Formats: sequence, C-alpha cells, structure tokens
Amino acid sequence: SYVLTQPPSVSVAPGQTARVTCGGDNIGSKSVHWYHQKPGQAPVLVVYDDSDRPSGIPERFSGSNSANTATLTISRVEAGDEADYYCQVWDSSSDLHVFGGGTKLTVL
Amino acid sequence: EVQLVESGGGLVQPGGSLRLSCAASGLTFSNYWMHWVRQAPGKGLVWVSRVNNDGSTISYADSVEGRFTLSRDNAKNTLDLQMNSLRAEDTAVYYCASTFDLLTAFQYWGQGTLVTVSS
Repeated sequence: SYVLTQPPSVSVAPGQTARVTCGGDNIGSKSVHWYHQKPGQAPVLVVYDDSDRPSGIPERFSGSNSANTATLTISRVEAGDEADYYCQVWDSSSDLHVFGGGTKLTVL
Repeated sequence: EVQLVESGGGLVQPGGSLRLSCAASGLTFSNYWMHWVRQAPGKGLVWVSRVNNDGSTISYADSVEGRFTLSRDNAKNTLDLQMNSLRAEDTAVYYCASTFDLLTAFQYWGQGTLVTVSS
C-alpha cells in the first residue's frame, strides 16, 4: 500500500520558517492535503490540493508538491503554530485515503 | 456554521459491539462523502471507512473490513458506524469527517468520540 513518510519532529525559532516534508512514491502526481492538530483537538485543514488555503488560514501557510516530496511551509512561525502536522492523499491504486505519520512542530 | 457531532463511544469488552453516530448540520449533507478516521492514543490519523454522497458506494480499510458497517441517512443528516467483534487495537478516538468527493480534502471534522476496547 501507499506510504507517506514525514519526519517525526521539526523545531524552529519564532519568526523563522518551518518546512515539513512528506515523502511518497511519485507524490507529485497526487493531490496532497495538510492538517494541523493541537492536543485534545480535532484536525484542521490548513492546505488542500498541494497549495491552496481554506478560508481563515493565514497566508503564512503554503504548500508545494513535486516528484517524490510535498512540503508544507510555515513562514514567520508563531508560538500558536505548535502542533502535529499531517499530510494526506487519496491513493487510486489501493483506493485508500492515506495519512503520513505526522510531524510535531516545536516552536523554540 | 458546519457542525459534525459524534456520539456513541465508550468502554466495551473485546469481542463486543458499539454503534457510533455522527449528526451533521450547517451543510447540505447529501452533497458530501462522509468518512470515519480514527486515532489511537498517542498515534497518528488512520482512515477507517467512507460512503459516497448518496450511500451507494461504501469502502473500508482492511483492518475493519467484515467487522464494521457504515451507513448514512440523508433525510436525517446522520452517519452511523456499527462496530462488531471489537479488538484492543480498535481503541481510538473516532472522528467523523467530510469530503466533497474522493480526491478532495477532509474539510470538516467532528470533535471525536473515544472508543476503548478492554476487559
């Protein structure tokens, strides 16, 4: 089955740029969605279709997707961005909705 | 405001059954595909099952195929997950979530309901 690989953790200082990667075989051919989840809360969609933002999500959140890696970029990181981040795709071969293992973003 | 409200979670013994429900409001329910996604304690998100907008097509993850049954009632704006032959590894928070179709993102999520399978 299709596997999405994320780093377990990413650390960044406030005001800097955080990049969370999501690796998958030819992921560039798929639509990638990103969610953040704070402790005890439900996931929230932050980027969909590789690089689009839902209403209410700051422009600081952006996404890209090419070849075997999709990337969520958070500019001017704030303390409130600290959360777990998950990438997700639908894999047509297996007809499964697949999530990455999640990345814990720590704001130093 | 869109709301998805799950109910029905609780403690159940291995081999037992539980029925989860998700009540939707603030959206045209019959336009959306509906899903269950679960999260074991301290673990990541795992997709469980989905039903298309008119209820004609249902899919399951291999781990629950044959044990879980998904259904929806577009007249009542509800989604149900009947869980049978429960195992310890089914212990998780179960989220109800919606997509506009197969490819689109999980746009709306409920707050989740905890299922604990333990003797």
